Amino acid sequence: GENVEQHPSTLSVQEGDSAVIKCTYSDSASNYFPWYKQELGKRPQLIIDIRSNVGEKKDQRIAVTLNKTAKHFSLHITETQPEDSAVYFCAASRSSTGANSKLTFGKGITLSVRP
Amino acid sequence: DAEITQSPRHKITETGRQVTLACHQTWNHNNMFWYRQDLGHGLRLIHYSYGVQDTNKGEVSDGYSVSRSNTEDLPLTLESAASSQTSVYFCASSRQLQETQYFGPGTRLLVL
Repeated sequence: GENVEQHPSTLSVQEGDSAVIKCTYSDSASNYFPWYKQELGKRPQLIIDIRSNVGEKKDQRIAVTLNKTAKHFSLHITETQPEDSAVYFCAASRSSTGANSKLTFGKGITLSVRP
Repeated sequence: DAEITQSPRHKITETGRQVTLACHQTWNHNNMFWYRQDLGHGLRLIHYSYGVQDTNKGEVSDGYSVSRSNTEDLPLTLESAASSQTSVYFCASSRQLQETQYFGPGTRLLVL
């Protein structure tokens, strides 16, 4: 089955700097890659997703890039703010139907933004 | 407003007891999921359902069961609670597969 890994497990940046969080996946057939943010004590929430037919997607200060050849995708956060401090989960799935549509999550990365 | 709720939010039980965690969504989503979240393991899928009367095992389904008798609810049952099942449990739902999964607020379960 799919294996999704996130590195590093923790990341600390200065407020205003950029943060990049990388995920790798094992199944070359995976075609959907969402990112979820979980603030302390809260539920995970989708912040951005990308499908395999595009290489990059942006939404204000966040962007996701996908490298299908290398089987990795990255979350980019620019002009980080203290409220960006959270655990970020990447995930992957290989199909929009059936059992292969279920998401496989990475273990999460804790991002800390230092004021 | 449509929402997804879980109950109870906190539960303490003893090993060997049967426990049922409730999940209710008002979006009329066909797809519902149960995850457990443990430090160092992220979110792991326990069971999922694509519609009424449909249930499927996820990667960590041993010791758990679900049933889907209507669109709104997917209760998760721990048949005989074990200390290894101490965790935070999240229910989620989605309108379509490979679309946003909306998570419930979570249930924190402690098995003594």
